[in-house]
Amino acid sequence: AQKVTQAQTEISVVEKEDVTLDCVYETRDTTYYLFWYKQPPSGELVFLIRRNSFDEQNEISGRYSWNFQKSTSSFNFTITASQVVDSAVYFCALSGTSYGKLTFGQGTILTVHP
Amino acid sequence: NAGVTQTPKFRILKIGQSMTLQCTQDMNHNYMYWYRQDPGMGLKLIYYSVGAGITDKGEVPNGYNVSRSTTEDFPLRLELAAPSQTSVYFCASSADRVLNTEAFFGQGTRLTVV
Repeated sequence: AQKVTQAQTEISVVEKEDVTLDCVYETRDTTYYLFWYKQPPSGELVFLIRRNSFDEQNEISGRYSWNFQKSTSSFNFTITASQVVDSAVYFCALSGTSYGKLTFGQGTILTVHP
Repeated sequence: NAGVTQTPKFRILKIGQSMTLQCTQDMNHNYMYWYRQDPGMGLKLIYYSVGAGITDKGEVPNGYNVSRSTTEDFPLRLELAAPSQTSVYFCASSADRVLNTEAFFGQGTRLTVV
């Protein structure tokens, strides 16, 4: 069985602070994919990143960066210089080779105060 | 460029009533999914389909039924609504079972059973 655990239920920061959202996963699949989704207050799910299990390179996209460490089964997400518009629920998710089904973490509520 | 379209966006049902949540995608994706999101929780898979005529249960299928008569449509049926089915429902689709792509999500249907 697959499992995704997001350590923080809620995080509150002040604008321009850096913030890291933790994600730890469990799977028996040797090939798998990790995702981060953002759910703003409007409710839709916004895809942020996909990473496959063979690619452990860290990735940076603007103020967002992701740290994938297979040795610790972690896929952490950092927002640099946070902004109010980053306030949302962030989900980490895992997909093995079983028809693309996603297993989600419980989400981290990020609130960025001005 | 509609993507995944869900209707309705909101619905209030009385206990014991039935309804169908509609989901349509225009991307010719083979794989489609229904998830539910309970307050403060991540999404959980209800049913999924790997192609027209093929469906299978996910993690929380009880109380629901699905059908997939066409590639485009994947309706979710609630036969006897119960308060425990109060949730936000998301439909998603993806092109590839190995998921070398992201799942595209609909906007969600917020269902309240009273």
